Amino acid sequence: GAGVSQTPSNKVTEKGKYVELRCDPISGHTALYWYRQSLGQGPEFLIYFQGTGAADDSGLPNDRFFAVRPEGSVSTLKIQRTERGDSAVYLCASSINRDPNTGELFFGEGSRLTVL
Amino acid sequence: AQRVTQPEKLLSVFKGAPVELKCNYSYSGSPELFWYVQYSRQRLQLLLRHISRESIKGFTADLNKGETSFHLKKPFAQEEDSAMYYCALSGRSGTYKYIFGTGTRLKVLA
Repeated sequence: GAGVSQTPSNKVTEKGKYVELRCDPISGHTALYWYRQSLGQGPEFLIYFQGTGAADDSGLPNDRFFAVRPEGSVSTLKIQRTERGDSAVYLCASSINRDPNTGELFFGEGSRLTVL
Repeated sequence: AQRVTQPEKLLSVFKGAPVELKCNYSYSGSPELFWYVQYSRQRLQLLLRHISRESIKGFTADLNKGETSFHLKKPFAQEEDSAMYYCALSGRSGTYKYIFGTGTRLKVLA
């Protein structure tokens, strides 16, 4: 496909479980971002990668959250010991251009996480 | 603190009427501002950016540094403009590390 792909689209889990959310960016896009969108809120920045390395992880809420991008393409967001407050739509986005004033960030459809 | 405020959760207008979606920001520096839109069952996508001073789908937005505002305007609303609109501020220059507002749902009534 041509767009950013996220799996699963829906995930229901129990409190305390471990969850992985996957993002497949557009081919060739070096910048990859994760955002979280809670009900009634705008997207909130979590982390971004430039290539394989996390350039800025200041938005990760605590150490239960971790993300990797080992080969500079696919990224996985990992959440340990999930809590009900983690319930949200997790958005992934990618771009070939680092500058938002000239480039564009392309979003996926999101992974909806529900923690019971 | 850096912040984006969209005071209206919902805005309903009739087709052909003017539209103004409000956005105010708080930022200590030279702001880079954007409008994103999400149509029903579609992905979040860029509508316009202030630096381009462009008109997209009839929408324009002017950065007013004195009032710290970046309101989105369209003179004549169309039904296809119905969507969720988010104002965003680039929180770190040269990145897509955005600070988003809470969004305004625009409903254009026939």
